[in-house]
Amino acid sequence: EVQLVESGGGLVQPGRSLKLSCVASGFTFSNYGMNWIRQAPGKGLEWVAYISSGSSYIYYAETVKGRFTISRDNAKNTLYLQMTSLRSEDTALYYCARQRAHYFDYWGQGVMVTVSS
Amino acid sequence: DIQMTQSPPVLSASVGDRVTLSCKASQNINKNLDWYQQKHGEAPKLLIYYTNNLQTGIPSRFSGSGSGTDYTLTISSLQPEDVATYYCYQYNSGRTFGGGTKLELK
Repeated sequence: EVQLVESGGGLVQPGRSLKLSCVASGFTFSNYGMNWIRQAPGKGLEWVAYISSGSSYIYYAETVKGRFTISRDNAKNTLYLQMTSLRSEDTALYYCARQRAHYFDYWGQGVMVTVSS
Repeated sequence: DIQMTQSPPVLSASVGDRVTLSCKASQNINKNLDWYQQKHGEAPKLLIYYTNNLQTGIPSRFSGSGSGTDYTLTISSLQPEDVATYYCYQYNSGRTFGGGTKLELK
């Protein structure tokens, strides 16, 4: 069974940093591209970042480019999102999602990040 | 950036109704569009990929169509378990979700 479990969220002050993790199981992690997608409270979905299976290709939404860094450790079956210079508008539930072709076929349950003083 | 506009924002329908949800792109997205369903308190779930391909395990009452800038998700006979918010998503240029359509029971 495919499982994606996010962790690392919490309350953080504006301007500070936070690193999210997503541990994958039930499939060969190193064969799949992975994404972070977020959802602000009561709002819609926003794609955040993508990393290819071997980390050769990385893309970011304009709203986070230069502040967030996506990475992965295939030996640990883990996806990461390093978030710096956090803003109130980054407050959201952050999902990791497996990418197959161009669609997201499995999602984690999400981890909450709250940016507030 | 490509903008995705979903309509209506909220849709009320009765069990058994045929329901149509619309998604309009600001430019041609060449059928590079997926549909996701999100029930309250849950993670989104893939319904349809590349405009009209039903994801494994999704009931056949769901179908997708469209081309160019205009796309549609149809539920042929609404069931109570279909109450959810539905999002379209384009990956033709950049990656953009629509704002969602919240589907309620009348």
